[in-house]
Amino acid sequence: GAGVSQSPRYKVAKRGQDVALRCDPISGHVSLFWYQQALGQGPEFLTYFQNEAQLDKSGLPSDRFFAERPEGSVSTLKIQRTQQEDSAVYLCASSLVVGSGQPQHFGDGTRLSIL
Amino acid sequence: GNSVTQMEGPVTLSEEAFLTINCTYTATGYPSLFWYVQYPGEGLQLLLKATKADDKGSNKGFEATYRKETTSFHLEKGSVQVSDSAVYFCALSVLNAGNNRKLIWGLGTSLAVNP
Repeated sequence: GAGVSQSPRYKVAKRGQDVALRCDPISGHVSLFWYQQALGQGPEFLTYFQNEAQLDKSGLPSDRFFAERPEGSVSTLKIQRTQQEDSAVYLCASSLVVGSGQPQHFGDGTRLSIL
Repeated sequence: GNSVTQMEGPVTLSEEAFLTINCTYTATGYPSLFWYVQYPGEGLQLLLKATKADDKGSNKGFEATYRKETTSFHLEKGSVQVSDSAVYFCALSVLNAGNNRKLIWGLGTSLAVNP
């Protein structure tokens, strides 16, 4: 596709349920990032992939958060045993190569609401 | 550590007014600097960027100059339009462990332009 695609756009789950959020980056983009954006805040980094390798997961808030990109393209962010504080917009971004000044291209995000 | 501070909003202007949104940063190394914009109901879009000191990024009438001496990257536009109403985010990237160029974000500044 022309841009980064994320699904679903909206997800409502009950506390304690597991959720999976999908990101389809721009074709050929090497780098893939996940960010979490709380209401009224800037995005916060969660994790980074270079192709299929997860090179940085320092931003994942707990071991309930897990991300994968097994074939170096589509990525899934999974949250287990969701909590109310997980409610946020989850953003996926990709960039063509690793390099200074390379812009990241964002999807529209998945708005997650935990009841 | 790395951080971005941008002026708080909301900013309300009349059409054709001059716009400045201040952004300052702290960074280790040599960051690249970005302005992203989020129009209502849409995802984050790159507005402009600068990768080294004294570079000027420009797009859609917006400009920002990378000032290393003042660690600033202020966004300006000479004459705003109603269609510029959006949330504007300043961000930086530096090379981190794992070849990661994650973005560090400001909190965002909401701009409303009245006809």
